Amino acid sequence: AQSVTQLGSHVSVSEGALVLLRCNYSSSVPPYLFWYVQYPNQGLQLLLKYTTGATLVKGINGFEAEFKKSETSFHLTKPSAHMSDAAEYFCAVTLTGNQFYFGTGTSLTVIP
Amino acid sequence: NAGVTQTPKFQVLKTGQSMTLQCAQDMNHEYMSWYRQDPGMGLRLIHYSVGAGITDQGEVPNGYNVSRSTTEDFPLRLLSAAPSQTSVYFCASSGSENTIYFGEGSWLTVV
Repeated sequence: AQSVTQLGSHVSVSEGALVLLRCNYSSSVPPYLFWYVQYPNQGLQLLLKYTTGATLVKGINGFEAEFKKSETSFHLTKPSAHMSDAAEYFCAVTLTGNQFYFGTGTSLTVIP
Repeated sequence: NAGVTQTPKFQVLKTGQSMTLQCAQDMNHEYMSWYRQDPGMGLRLIHYSVGAGITDQGEVPNGYNVSRSTTEDFPLRLLSAAPSQTSVYFCASSGSENTIYFGEGSWLTVV
């Protein structure tokens, strides 16, 4: 069975600083990997996804993530945090495109 | 470009009342699911469906019922609401892209 672990339920960064949100997965075979963002009182929006091919994936709003099979990781990064990046971020994994497994989320606070 | 639409957005129920959360998608996705989101617990799968006429239980199915009579619709029924069912509910769908898309959420309070 697959599972996702997000290290750090709360992360604070200064505006303009690097954003690093950690995600590790457990799967017997390379899965599809996703990051979703949730703004207050809204649904989850797809930020980026890895299916096959290039291991560095670029998403919306300047975010990117790198699939590292040897480390079973899919960490999310952004070079320079903006106030509008403050939100909840979820990492997710699927093998079949039907059953999705989500991490418990990381709340990102951006300090002006 | 509707995607996944769920209603109502907000609802207050009294303990013991029943209600239905509606969900519809216009992407012709076979797979639909319901999650609940609670603080510190992430998203937990309630029920899911892999196609019309087929439903199955997820991680936390007790107290909820679903049906899938059409590809588009996947309503979630609370049979007898309890305070423990106070939560935010998300309907989602996925198809051949292997990507899951979410509705805007339904905030439910049971008093």
